[in-house]
Amino acid sequence: EAGVTQFPSHSVIEKGQTVTLRCDPISGHDNLYWYRRVMGKEIKFLLHFVKESKQDESGMPNNRFLAERTGGTYSTLKVQPAELEDSGVYFCASSLQETQYFGPGTRLLVL
Amino acid sequence: GQQLNQSPQSMFIQEGEDVSMNCTSSSIFNTWLWYKQDPGEGPVLLIALYKAGELTSNGRLTAQFGITRKDSFLNISASIPSDVGIYFCAGWKTSYDKVIFGPGTSLSVIP
Repeated sequence: EAGVTQFPSHSVIEKGQTVTLRCDPISGHDNLYWYRRVMGKEIKFLLHFVKESKQDESGMPNNRFLAERTGGTYSTLKVQPAELEDSGVYFCASSLQETQYFGPGTRLLVL
Repeated sequence: GQQLNQSPQSMFIQEGEDVSMNCTSSSIFNTWLWYKQDPGEGPVLLIALYKAGELTSNGRLTAQFGITRKDSFLNISASIPSDVGIYFCAGWKTSYDKVIFGPGTSLSVIP
């Protein structure tokens, strides 16, 4: 069974540009989470989908971040416009029950 | 907000040595989790603890859920080179909730 996959693995963009990250959860997992690790600090929660609905988006830093999960399958996280402080590793996780399985992350660098 | 502290921040040990790291919280958690992140990968769940006082082993790894519910430790016995990575403690208050992560302990094993 395939694990959580994320695309791209790395992205380097300039400040002000737009970037869209994609997460494909494990098939059948209704719960999908986005997390971010900035500059070697702790991994921080961004938001949680249950199917296509946003269950908890309390961790989204500001309105430059937009997450969607149309159809309740894959999810995208768009950053527009990107700022320098958005650099970091963005992780996606999915779960069927309690255990969350993490993807390899997208490493975003904003110059 | 909720915060987890991990110590030590980093460790350099000789292959074969035992390792001990711990995690404290400013608030109570109902579930404690220990994750390991290999370079270029996402966090992988090592051990989950569900009850205060619980002591759980997974191969050479042993973790305990503190009686106060505000702390946990992870021990690794007879370390080997593949133990290298970042170890995150994490917790949640209820199932399916966002996972709160600590800042991580970076482990280096010298052959």
